[in-house]
Amino acid sequence: DTGVSQNPRHKITKRGQNVTFRCDPISEHNRLYWYRQTLGQGPEFLTYFQNEAQLEKSRLLSDRFSAERPKGSFSTLEIQRTEQGDSAMYLCASSLSPGFGTDTQYFGPGTRLTVL
Amino acid sequence: DAKTTQPPSMDCAEGRAANLPCNHSTISGNEYVYWYRQIHSQGPQYIIHGLKNNETNEMASLIITEDRKSSTLILPHATLRDTAVYYCIVRVAGQAGTALIFGKGTTLSVSS
Repeated sequence: DTGVSQNPRHKITKRGQNVTFRCDPISEHNRLYWYRQTLGQGPEFLTYFQNEAQLEKSRLLSDRFSAERPKGSFSTLEIQRTEQGDSAMYLCASSLSPGFGTDTQYFGPGTRLTVL
Repeated sequence: DAKTTQPPSMDCAEGRAANLPCNHSTISGNEYVYWYRQIHSQGPQYIIHGLKNNETNEMASLIITEDRKSSTLILPHATLRDTAVYYCIVRVAGQAGTALIFGKGTTLSVSS
């Protein structure tokens, strides 16, 4: 299967620790999105890359959150000094920019973060 | 992006058609209607999208009214595995940085 993959699938950490999640998009997809989903809510957009450029990051929840996509392929999302309120599912999606269709986003399975 | 309105929950008997409505009365001419679903603890799954014509694929059919102010997702023969939260989203397709804006969706429960 060549869908979007995310690692780890589950992460348990103690408050104050840093965590990093990885997303591998569908091969040749040039757009990559990060979302966060808390219990009972729909996913909430965080940030977006086109190739290696981070074109939208104003929705990142605080300066403790950062994301990279260094070579325009996989991406990482880091949360520094985690807080209990960061407990959520973190989702990654990828898409192909216009010219090949209507930019449909395909999601990975998510990383569930629990902060103790 | 335009907002959408969906019923919070629906029930359907296994083997029957599930018809999930969505209102998007403020949709713009260049906005598409997308449907995703999310089975418990999994990532959202793309189902179908359309602009103004009805669309069908192996998963579902999408019926969009002529004035484009509402649409219906049809699962022709629902199974227990179709139990999920279904999200109707409108967005400008292809525009850089247009994220999907999810509401609370419709929780579809399929029972035998």
